Amino acid sequence: AQTVTQSQPEMSVQEAETVTLSCTYDTSENNYYLFWYKQPPSRQMILVIRQEAYKQQNATENRFSVNFQKAAKSFSLKISDSQLGDTAMYFCAFRPSYNTDKLIFGTGTRLQVFP
Amino acid sequence: KAGVTQTPRYLIKTRGQQVTLSCSPISGHRSVSWYQQTPGQGLQFLFEYFSETQRNKGNFPGRFSGRQFSNSRSEMNVSTLELGDSALYLCASSLGEQSYNEQFFGPGTRLTVL
Repeated sequence: AQTVTQSQPEMSVQEAETVTLSCTYDTSENNYYLFWYKQPPSRQMILVIRQEAYKQQNATENRFSVNFQKAAKSFSLKISDSQLGDTAMYFCAFRPSYNTDKLIFGTGTRLQVFP
Repeated sequence: KAGVTQTPRYLIKTRGQQVTLSCSPISGHRSVSWYQQTPGQGLQFLFEYFSETQRNKGNFPGRFSGRQFSNSRSEMNVSTLELGDSALYLCASSLGEQSYNEQFFGPGTRLTVL
């Protein structure tokens, strides 16, 4: 069975600083997608960044980047130049195959950005 | 383009009752997935519908059921409610095609079972 583990229940960072959120996963599949989702206090889940397993290059989206280590089954999120609006729950998620939208989520990391 | 909408936003029921939640996907989206979010269990996949067919199902008891209509709107039903069914129920929609399609989440329905 596929599992996703986020070992940091809470993290905090000062505005403008950099923070890294950790995620590990377990799967026997070779092709899959990995995601980071953000859920602000308003509760609407938003996609932050995605990574295709077959791509060696790490995905980046503006201030957000990932460190994808396929052999180690590790998928961390780095947020640079943190902003107050980055305060939210962050969920790492795994999608097992191409023919489904089913997401397996980690337990989440609550990120607090301080001024 | 309107986002994913879920109705109602808040619901209070008592044990033993049943409830129906509705999800309207983004126009043109054919896939709808449902998730249950609780503090204890986190986000858990319930089921996924594509073109009116259940494409995938999570590990929930038979009290949880769903369906999708020809206009892609989806409903989920929970019968014989238990206290543990109190949760935020999220739905997400996508185009549903075989290649990657981004999923967009709705605001959720907060169900409280008393």
